[in-house]
Amino acid sequence: DAKTTQPNSMESNEEEPVHLPCNHSTISGTDYIHWYRQLPSQGPEYVIHGLTSNVNNRMASLAIAEDRKSSTLILHRATLRDAAVYYCILAFTSGTYKYIFGTGTRLKVLA
Amino acid sequence: GAVVSQHPSWVICKSGTSVKIECRSLDFQATTMFWYRQFPKQSLMLMATSNEGSKATYEQGVEKDKFLINHASLTLSTLTVTSAHPEDSSFYICSARRATGQPQHFGDGTRLSIL
Repeated sequence: DAKTTQPNSMESNEEEPVHLPCNHSTISGTDYIHWYRQLPSQGPEYVIHGLTSNVNNRMASLAIAEDRKSSTLILHRATLRDAAVYYCILAFTSGTYKYIFGTGTRLKVLA
Repeated sequence: GAVVSQHPSWVICKSGTSVKIECRSLDFQATTMFWYRQFPKQSLMLMATSNEGSKATYEQGVEKDKFLINHASLTLSTLTVTSAHPEDSSFYICSARRATGQPQHFGDGTRLSIL
């Protein structure tokens, strides 16, 4: 199964942009890259997903490397409510598209 | 849209009791639902994949007789923890998706404590 690697933790100042990296060097050609975030005692919240092209939505932007072996989730202006654990997940094309969660990145936002 | 409701949000019960957790997709039909468990300070671990009208597919190491999954309709899946023991105490989370390739949408989890 293709795995993802993320830094354990990151810090950001409020109102500043945040770039959360993810390495997925064993990604296969049709694996989608999904990002979720999880607040304490809640289920994960969908943030964004993409395949090859960069993607934007109201929550964030997703920048995907040309070789697709890495990606970056971009929060344009961090707020205190963005403090969470962010998970980068590859959705496998080998049948069920099930998610295998890695350890994620714990984002701390400083006021 | 894409709201998933999980009930109950927390439950405390005695060892040996069976506990049922419901997962409902409120505004869409879910062809597939998933069940995860999460221990404190750890990531989510997939337990099983459930397709409507068919038997669930369990991940390696998950006891199917211990964790009974039923997916009787396109909007409801249930997880029953049978004869629960303290080591089954955990945060159980379900998710649902409309179709293969679509993102999963998660419930808010059920905190299960077995005394």
